[in-house]
Amino acid sequence: AQTVTQSQPEMSVQEAETVTLSCTYDTSENNYYLFWYKQPPSRQMILVIRQEAYKQQNATENRFSVNFQKAAKSFSLKISDSQLGDTAMYFCAFMKLLDDKIIFGKGTRLHILP
Amino acid sequence: DARVTQTPRHKVTEMGQEVTMRCQPILGHNTVFWYRQTMMQGLELLAYFRNRAPLDDSGMPKDRFSAEMPDATLATLKIQPSEPRDSAVYFCASGPNTNTEAFFGQGTRLTVV
Repeated sequence: AQTVTQSQPEMSVQEAETVTLSCTYDTSENNYYLFWYKQPPSRQMILVIRQEAYKQQNATENRFSVNFQKAAKSFSLKISDSQLGDTAMYFCAFMKLLDDKIIFGKGTRLHILP
Repeated sequence: DARVTQTPRHKVTEMGQEVTMRCQPILGHNTVFWYRQTMMQGLELLAYFRNRAPLDDSGMPKDRFSAEMPDATLATLKIQPSEPRDSAVYFCASGPNTNTEAFFGQGTRLTVV
């Protein structure tokens, strides 16, 4: 069975700093998707970024980028120039190709301090 | 804009009562998920459907929980009888045929007293 581990329950950084959230996963699959979801206080789950395992290039979305290390089964999220609106829970998630189940980590609570 | 709609947003009920949560997936999406979020367990997958057929409900307590899709525009999650330990936020999500991601509703916060 696949598992997703987020080792940082909570983090705080100053506004405008760069922060990296860690995620590791365990799978025997070769083809899969990895995700980072953001959950602000509004409770809405928002997809931040998606990475296909067969792509070597790291995904980026504006200030958000990932460091995908397939061999190490590591998928960290970097937030550059952090903003107050980035304060949220961040969930790392895994989905096998041709499957539907998305397995989530326990989340990292990120506080951006003014 | 297309979104997953869940009702009710909040529900407070007494132990032993039946609770029904509803979800309208995004039109055209053929995969529907039910997740439960608690502080202790995080996001747990309860059940999911593809083309209205249940594919996996192994995460769901069978004795009191049931999930159905009466039609393509409605998914329901029922708890009967409800217990205080069922207090959580229940999310519905839907996904397109390409299965590349899931779009979440805003959740139902359930409190069983």
